[in-house]
Amino acid sequence: EIVLTQSPATVSLSPGQRATLSCRASQSVSSYLAWYQQKPGQAPRLLIYDTSNRAAGIPARFSGSGSGTDFTLTISSLEPEDSAVYYCQQRSNWWTFGQGTKVEIK
Amino acid sequence: EVHLVESGGRLVQPAGSVRLSCAASGFTVSNYDMSWVRQAPGKGLEWVSVKYSGGSTQYADSVRGRFTIARDNSENTLHLQLNALRAEDTAVYYCARHTQVSASAFDVWGQGTMVTVSS
Repeated sequence: EIVLTQSPATVSLSPGQRATLSCRASQSVSSYLAWYQQKPGQAPRLLIYDTSNRAAGIPARFSGSGSGTDFTLTISSLEPEDSAVYYCQQRSNWWTFGQGTKVEIK
Repeated sequence: EVHLVESGGRLVQPAGSVRLSCAASGFTVSNYDMSWVRQAPGKGLEWVSVKYSGGSTQYADSVRGRFTIARDNSENTLHLQLNALRAEDTAVYYCARHTQVSASAFDVWGQGTMVTVSS
């Protein structure tokens, strides 16, 4: 099973700041890496798929990059509504998720 | 508009059974790979099972032999039969549609249905 490790566990930033979230895979997942946003009591929402493709309706401030085993989700300028837990997910070997990074807005 | 609505979650005793349903609208379930993903209280996301558009199925090791995924094309609905339930199966169960091109991610999610396994 491919294990995804996300860091940091929690990040606390002010509106307008840049957030950089990391996801590291235990072995290569090629480009099959996705990112989700989940707010309390809600289902996850797809942000990015196949490393860098924004899902429909996702604002341009969300971007993804990386390859192989190291991937990054960047939120270029944080908005208050970006407060959530963010999960990465791979599909090279079935589908597994990282443990999540909580983004807090100060 | 595309929607998924899950139902069927409830309190069930250990070793018991429950059947979850996921009704789709705005698209045809049989044209997509469809999965169930669960989330234990306060925990992360765990993929459970997939029904490929071609009909074949796969299961996570944690549920293989106990859970069965099925599709009703006439009702445009996905089901998950959960048998031999354990306390660790307690979770919100989401159905999710795979992205169409590479099936690598889940682009549509239902609101989830809660299964609680407890005596």
